[in-house]
Amino acid sequence: GAVVSQHPSRVICKSGTSVKIECRSLDFQATTMFWYRQFPKQSLMLMATSNEGSKATYEQGVEKDKFLINHASLTLSTLTVTSAHPEDSSFYICSPLEQRGVLQYFGPGTRLTVT
Amino acid sequence: QKEVEQNSGPLSVPEGAIASLNCTYSDRGSQSFFWYRQYSGKSPELIMFIYSNGDKEDGRFTAQLNKASQYVSLLIRDSQPSDSATYLCAVNSGGSNYKLTFGKGTLLTVNP
Repeated sequence: GAVVSQHPSRVICKSGTSVKIECRSLDFQATTMFWYRQFPKQSLMLMATSNEGSKATYEQGVEKDKFLINHASLTLSTLTVTSAHPEDSSFYICSPLEQRGVLQYFGPGTRLTVT
Repeated sequence: QKEVEQNSGPLSVPEGAIASLNCTYSDRGSQSFFWYRQYSGKSPELIMFIYSNGDKEDGRFTAQLNKASQYVSLLIRDSQPSDSATYLCAVNSGGSNYKLTFGKGTLLTVNP
């Protein structure tokens, strides 16, 4: 399978601060990046889809001004949680889509805790 | 609204047995189907995908698809304790966006 990295793997921040999560596809180019979050004991919920060089498309109920997505290159995408609140505490997972394929692989995830 | 349904479990099987995981989906136009395994605290790992009706085998895993019944299943033969995880069914309805709709997952426990 594809190699995907995410950084940081775990972060604790104070309410009101911003956190940036990086996702890299290490051995392939990804024209599309999906960002998911997963609350405890729940399934993955798609937050947004981004294409390299374009603005992200957000799912209903996801605030685009709160969750800033940048997909500046075919191997790097970032998700910034702005003005984080405790209810944003979750497991955030990126999923780059290989340029030539339809298989989605997932990054290892970032566990965000907002205190 | 496109839905993917799975029994939440837990499904408990003894070591060496066959574990059968089931999934139904609502969008009849769905084109590709995926099974992911997720260990507690980890991100999902792709283990099988299937596009055509019938069976697809990979090692101890067999995916079965029946588009007429809108049903996809995963069989795990010779279950091992290391197979204990949550199994997520995901469906892609086609189109250019490749978005997946996930079920809530079935928790499988394999008892030694």
